[in-house]
Amino acid sequence: EAGVAQSPRYKIIEKRQSVAFWCNPISGHATLYWYQQILGQGPKLLIQFQNNGVVDDSQLPKDRFSAERLKGVDSTLKIQPAKLEDSAVYLCASSFTEETQYFGPGTRLLVL
Amino acid sequence: AQSVTQLGSHVSVSEGALVLLRCNYSSSVPPYLFWYVQYPNQGLQLLLKYTTGATLVKGINGFEAEFKKSETSFHLTKPSAHMSDAAEYFCAVNYGGATNKLIFGTGTLLAVQP
Repeated sequence: EAGVAQSPRYKIIEKRQSVAFWCNPISGHATLYWYQQILGQGPKLLIQFQNNGVVDDSQLPKDRFSAERLKGVDSTLKIQPAKLEDSAVYLCASSFTEETQYFGPGTRLLVL
Repeated sequence: AQSVTQLGSHVSVSEGALVLLRCNYSSSVPPYLFWYVQYPNQGLQLLLKYTTGATLVKGINGFEAEFKKSETSFHLTKPSAHMSDAAEYFCAVNYGGATNKLIFGTGTLLAVQP
């Protein structure tokens, strides 16, 4: 079974530029999550989708972050404009049941 | 506020020694509990989980964890460390409710000395 796929794996941009990350969940997983992991910290949930509807986006900085999950499969997370403090690893996860989330390899973002 | 505490941001053991990584959660209601491992430049890999039933849970790579409700703890152990166990370990809790949000601890970096 293929795991959660993410791209790109690494991205370097300058502040005020925009960037987008892509995630393809495990086939059949209805729930998709985006987490932000700042160096030295545990992952923090940004947004959760159930199919193509948003379940929880309470921690998403909506003035600069946006996410969508068209057709209930793939998802994109966008940052516009980026700030220095957005430098982090962005992890995508998916789940079939309520119990277990499976994570992708992450996208490492550096904002200069 | 719901939280997860991992005592010790860095733990160093000798190869062959016991590994003990500590995790405590804040809730009177037993949540779902997880341990994930993260190798350098990789995502999180599920080691083991507790949902219901037996409180001693066995996972991959020889790791196990015991849910102790009275102590609100879910410590991770391995009897004999291997060099390949060097990684960062995260304890996570799902308190349920309307979402399945995982709340993570700050992680423990395990170093294994030869």
